[in-house]
Amino acid sequence: DIVMTQSPLSVSVTLGQPASFSCRSSQSLVSSDGNTYLNWFHQRPGQSPRRLIYKLSNRDSGVPDRFSGSGSGTDFTLKISGVEANDVGVYYCAQDKGWPYTFGQGTKLEIK
Amino acid sequence: QVQLAQSGTEVKKPGASVKISCQASGYTFSNYYMHWVRQAPGQGFEWMGVINPGGYSTTYAQKFQGRVTITRDTSTRTLYVELSSLTSEDTAMYYCARDNIDYWGQGTLVTVSS
Repeated sequence: DIVMTQSPLSVSVTLGQPASFSCRSSQSLVSSDGNTYLNWFHQRPGQSPRRLIYKLSNRDSGVPDRFSGSGSGTDFTLKISGVEANDVGVYYCAQDKGWPYTFGQGTKLEIK
Repeated sequence: QVQLAQSGTEVKKPGASVKISCQASGYTFSNYYMHWVRQAPGQGFEWMGVINPGGYSTTYAQKFQGRVTITRDTSTRTLYVELSSLTSEDTAMYYCARDNIDYWGQGTLVTVSS
């Protein structure tokens, strides 16, 4: 199984400042079709996860352009250019290159 | 819009089985793979398995082999998961998710307690 490792476990950011989340996979997530099958999710307490980014850097519909995804085959980053209050929660990376899909343990974003 | 509506909270005793449903709307259900993913309290996500669009092929996580069954009914656009031989470690929120895990249900809480 592909192991997904996120860091840090939590981050505290001042409103309006940038935030960055890291994720690493134990194997390359680049598929034979050239796509990198890495997703980013946001989960608020008591809610289902919402996908923000798919295939490394594509924003889902309705996701503000404050969110951006980047990376290589095994190292990935989610950036928020300016944190807003409703960005709090836990951010997870997940690979859908192959079954079993696997998830990182999450990074909790708090407002300083 | 795509919606996945799951059945309600379940409370089960150890050793029992639970069957959860997920009704899809807003898209052509029969065209998409469907997944089940669970999240134990305060924990991350654990993929349980997937069923193909036709409902005749499933793949399960090794951890759940022999204990989980995923089925679907195209006529009612409903996905199911049944988990047997429940223990307290199965206490979790269970989510259905579409194909590339783009849309998720609201979750069904399953509590296993004597």
